[in-house]
Amino acid sequence: GAVVSQHPSWVICKSGTSVKIECRSLDFQATTMFWYRQFPKQSLMLMATSNEGSKATYEQGVEKDKFLINHASLTLSTLTVTSAHPEDSSFYICSARDQSRGLKGYTFGSGTRLTVV
Amino acid sequence: AQSVTQLGSHVSVSEGALVLLRCNYSSSVPPYLFWYVQYPNQGLQLLLKYTTGATLVKGINGFEAEFKKSETSFHLTKPSAHMSDAAEYFCAVSPFTGGGNKLTFGTGTQLKVEL
Repeated sequence: GAVVSQHPSWVICKSGTSVKIECRSLDFQATTMFWYRQFPKQSLMLMATSNEGSKATYEQGVEKDKFLINHASLTLSTLTVTSAHPEDSSFYICSARDQSRGLKGYTFGSGTRLTVV
Repeated sequence: AQSVTQLGSHVSVSEGALVLLRCNYSSSVPPYLFWYVQYPNQGLQLLLKYTTGATLVKGINGFEAEFKKSETSFHLTKPSAHMSDAAEYFCAVSPFTGGGNKLTFGTGTQLKVEL
């Protein structure tokens, strides 16, 4: 089945530094990837939709200059949290869409726990 | 526009008892509906989905859900709970057309299974 690898699974960084999270589709080509943020005991909030080879589409209220998304290939999308602050601490999850599998094609990564100290 | 409401942020059942997790949706276009399960510090795993056709959908791990258009509901059930079912469950909706195929999630229901 479709597998999405998300790395790292957890990261601790100092305030003011940047952190990059990778999302890879291992056995399919993902023309579209989604990045979500999940606060403790809450639902997933869509941050942005990235399409291979084009700029990401950000949801309202998400700072595109702070959360940089790159989807340079059909198997890799990255989310970079720039100048991280404690309030950016959260669980980030990516999802890659395999269009050949129709609506079964939303496959989620295992998530990244970001802690900014 | 679309939204999902999950009634009950926490549900507790005894092992072997019926599991019922409620989900109501709002969508301006025919929806696709999903149930996902999330274990601690993990991503989401698809349990089942409804697109078109049969309104009773069977998924993995013995779960099923019924799409009721008149009630705008898509409740998740399992006849007999198992300890391994303890997890967070999310209902999600995606528009049938347009909307970039984005999923909108409910706030989740934490299922606890007791001996």
